[in-house]
Amino acid sequence: EPEVTQTPSHQVTQMGQEVILRCVPISNHLYFYWYRQILGQKVEFLVSFYNNEISEKSEIFDDQFSVERPDGSNFTLKIRSTKLEDSAMYFCASSLDSGGEKLFFGSGTQLSVL
Amino acid sequence: GESVGLHLPTLSVQEGDNSIINCAYSNSASDYFIWYKQESGKGPQFIIDIRSNMDKRQGQRVTVLLNKTVKHLSLQIAATQPGDSAVYFCAETLSGGSYIPTFGRGTSLIVHP
Repeated sequence: EPEVTQTPSHQVTQMGQEVILRCVPISNHLYFYWYRQILGQKVEFLVSFYNNEISEKSEIFDDQFSVERPDGSNFTLKIRSTKLEDSAMYFCASSLDSGGEKLFFGSGTQLSVL
Repeated sequence: GESVGLHLPTLSVQEGDNSIINCAYSNSASDYFIWYKQESGKGPQFIIDIRSNMDKRQGQRVTVLLNKTVKHLSLQIAATQPGDSAVYFCAETLSGGSYIPTFGRGTSLIVHP
């Protein structure tokens, strides 16, 4: 069964450093998403991406965040200057259509900002 | 503002029992609801969905019930197994809105052998 893959599974960084989280969505999917989950809390939407541009973003997704689809397979989330409160599990997801239906999630990248 | 929430943060059941996980939503305009299962160390996995024009939908061992009158959603798992132990999230999408699923906080289901 096709799956969304994310790398790395764990990332430790110093406050103020830039990090790039990588995702390979399911190959025929057209819509891509980043969510995050702070330990013990709900899964929060960050951004959605379609046709090489951001289609939706939440209040969390400020100027420190950016997304990119640098080639036909990868989808990345960059945090320019990490803060302690950015520590969370970051999930990438993809879907075939835009109706909010059946998002397929990766296993996540656990980001720890020290 | 609109919110999606869960009544019980933790539910413990014996193997073989039926489990019921509840979810309340506040926006009557929400027209599509999804249940996700998140096992330890993994991302959320789609279990079952339901649209607002239905009040019940069944899958394999799972049933979702939607009560629009009281804005309540439930997930029923029949003959719960240890492999069902996970955190379960309900998510809603808004009619005419972004169709980005908004997740509730989650309920932890613990199945005792």
